[in-house]
Amino acid sequence: AQSVAQPEDQVNVAEGNPLTVKCTYSVSGNPYLFWYVQYPNRGLQFLLKYITGDNLVKGSYGFEAEFNKSQTSFHLKKPSALVSDSALYFCAVRDMGKYGGATNKLIFGTGTLLAVQP
Amino acid sequence: ETGVTQSPTHLIKTRGQQVTLRCSSQSGHNTVSWYQQALGQGPQFIFQYYREEENGRGNFPPRFSGLQFPNYSSELNVNALELDDSALYLCASSLVLGDYEQYFGPGTRLTVT
Repeated sequence: AQSVAQPEDQVNVAEGNPLTVKCTYSVSGNPYLFWYVQYPNRGLQFLLKYITGDNLVKGSYGFEAEFNKSQTSFHLKKPSALVSDSALYFCAVRDMGKYGGATNKLIFGTGTLLAVQP
Repeated sequence: ETGVTQSPTHLIKTRGQQVTLRCSSQSGHNTVSWYQQALGQGPQFIFQYYREEENGRGNFPPRFSGLQFPNYSSELNVNALELDDSALYLCASSLVLGDYEQYFGPGTRLTVT
């Protein structure tokens, strides 16, 4: 079964410093990986995805993620954190259909709360 | 291009009651998925509709049911509400089935007392 794990409940970083939010995955077949961000009382906003191709994926708001097949990781990164980046971040993997067919079902991790201090 | 909208924003129900939550997909999107997000948890997939047919279901009991209409708007119905049904319910739409990007609505916060 497909799954993702986010080992850190919370990440604290000072504004201007680089940030990393960790995610590891377990899939059968090729992974389709995603990062979403959730602000308080809001739905999820898409940040970026990895389907195939370059291991470094660039997304919205200056975020990027590095796909590492040997370590089964997909860590979210940003070179310089902003206070406004403080939010809940979710890593997700697309599930396969019953017979390997197309599905939009996402399996989410438990989330990592990013706190950026001014 | 309008985004995904959900109604109501908040809802309080009593155990045993029934509830209907509504979602309007982003313009042109024919696939909608529903997720339940309990407090402190990641969203859990409930089911997905594609062109008015259910096309995938998560580990939720039959008292969770849904509909998708010809205009691709959608409803989530929950019967015989239980306290554990208290959660944020999220609707997500995508342009086509298998599309990798899903656009989420703001959610409906359901409280069951």
